[in-house]
Amino acid sequence: QKEVEQDPGPLSVPEGAIVSLNCTYSNSAFQYFMWYRQYSRKGPELLMYTYSSGNKEDGRFTAQVDKSSKYISLFIRDSQPSDSATYLCAMSADAGTALIFGKGTTLSVSS
Amino acid sequence: GAVVSQHPSRVICKSGTSVKIECRSLDFQATTMFWYRQFPKQSLMLMATSNEGSKATYEQGVEKDKFLINHASLTLSTLTVTSAHPEDSSFYICSVETEVDEKLFFGSGTQLSVL
Repeated sequence: QKEVEQDPGPLSVPEGAIVSLNCTYSNSAFQYFMWYRQYSRKGPELLMYTYSSGNKEDGRFTAQVDKSSKYISLFIRDSQPSDSATYLCAMSADAGTALIFGKGTTLSVSS
Repeated sequence: GAVVSQHPSRVICKSGTSVKIECRSLDFQATTMFWYRQFPKQSLMLMATSNEGSKATYEQGVEKDKFLINHASLTLSTLTVTSAHPEDSSFYICSVETEVDEKLFFGSGTQLSVL
């Protein structure tokens, strides 16, 4: 079993839809959870950063962490065509150490 | 947010040549930088951890003699792909750890194509 599992998609939704992206993981030591957005042939851009369990909201984005289930989610409300990208979950056990990434989910939002 | 500058953005070279990729932290000093590679439709795979003033730490399976990493200052790390071959063609990305809140920010990546 890989440390981090993420459905690669692709996921296609109409503009305005609510998008749910998810990752599961096996290492219970993970405490730091991040979501990155990556446009084609560009470096990943940090979207959300969460420590331990709970929810975090930033504009149209909400990140959820359920450590008991080893499951994290990213919700995008009122999705826009500009949200079309690959979304990568990432996590680590210690702050500042190299991250373990999911494979990324490709999202396409149509207008 | 933090700004990480990575150059060049794209390199096309002949097999057997060496290619140097630079990663600069523009907003802060970075004692630790990370180098990743990414194949098409695959996730980022950590290659090595670059520590300022000391030898880099390589992940299992990464040839340290082929992928030379130099972190000579607190704002610059370089990755040199020596004697590049077509199988080295990939997207290489650096990331920088902030000292304040220990988050990671990424460079824009370098697409290496070896002919």
